Amino acid sequence: GNSVTQMEGPVTLSEEAFLTINCTYTATGYPSLFWYVQYPGEGLQLLLKATKADDKGSNKGFEATYRKETTSFHLEKGSVQVSDSAVYFCALSPTGANSKLTFGKGITLSVRP
Amino acid sequence: DTGVSQNPRHKITKRGQNVTFRCDPISEHNRLYWYRQTLGQGPEFLTYFQNEAQLEKSRLLSDRFSAERPKGSFSTLEIQRTEQGDSAMYLCASSGPRRDTGELFFGEGSRLTVL
Repeated sequence: GNSVTQMEGPVTLSEEAFLTINCTYTATGYPSLFWYVQYPGEGLQLLLKATKADDKGSNKGFEATYRKETTSFHLEKGSVQVSDSAVYFCALSPTGANSKLTFGKGITLSVRP
Repeated sequence: DTGVSQNPRHKITKRGQNVTFRCDPISEHNRLYWYRQTLGQGPEFLTYFQNEAQLEKSRLLSDRFSAERPKGSFSTLEIQRTEQGDSAMYLCASSGPRRDTGELFFGEGSRLTVL
C-alpha cells in the first residue's frame, strides 16, 4: 500500500539556520506529493505541493522537489524564522484519488531566536 | 470567519457512551473529509463525501462509526459504544467545487477522550 516516511523529530534550530526535513514515500503509479503545516492552535494547512516528477513546489521560502528516482520529497528552507515553528507533515495522494491523502507522522520544528 | 468549523472541540466520555461530532465546511465546498489523528501519528483517512453522497469509507471506520452529510452542507460523525482506542483527534476537511487538486482545508479538530 501507500506510505510516507518522515525523519524522526523533533528538530530544534536557531533562527536563520538551514532546514532540511526528509520525506520518502512508497506508492504505485504517479502520486501527487504535499507538505502540510500545522501552526500552534491552528488547523493543518497546505504549504506546498508537486504533482509530477521533477516538479518543485515552493511557498513562504520553503521548497521541495519531487524526486521519483529516490522516491523523496524533502522540505528545505534556507533561513528559518521563529514563526516557522510548527508541525510539518509530508503527504501523498495516489493517482486519480485526489484528496484521499496518506500522511507521514509529522515532525515538530522549533526555531530559537 | 469562513473556515472549517468543528464542534465540540473537546469531548470527554465514558466507555460505552455514544458521541457525535459536527463539521461545518467552507460554504462553497462540495467535498468533505473526515480524518483521525492519534498522538505522534499523522492524520488517517476515514471517509469522504461529495455533496451528500458518501463515496468512500476506510477500513478504519468500524460498524460503530457512522458519518452523514444529509443536505450536502454540514456533516456529523457519530461513534457508538465508544472504546478507549477511539481516543483521538477527529479532523474534518473540505475542498472544491473546482477540480480536486489535493488541497484540503482543515478544521482545528475535535479531541475525544474515552475514559
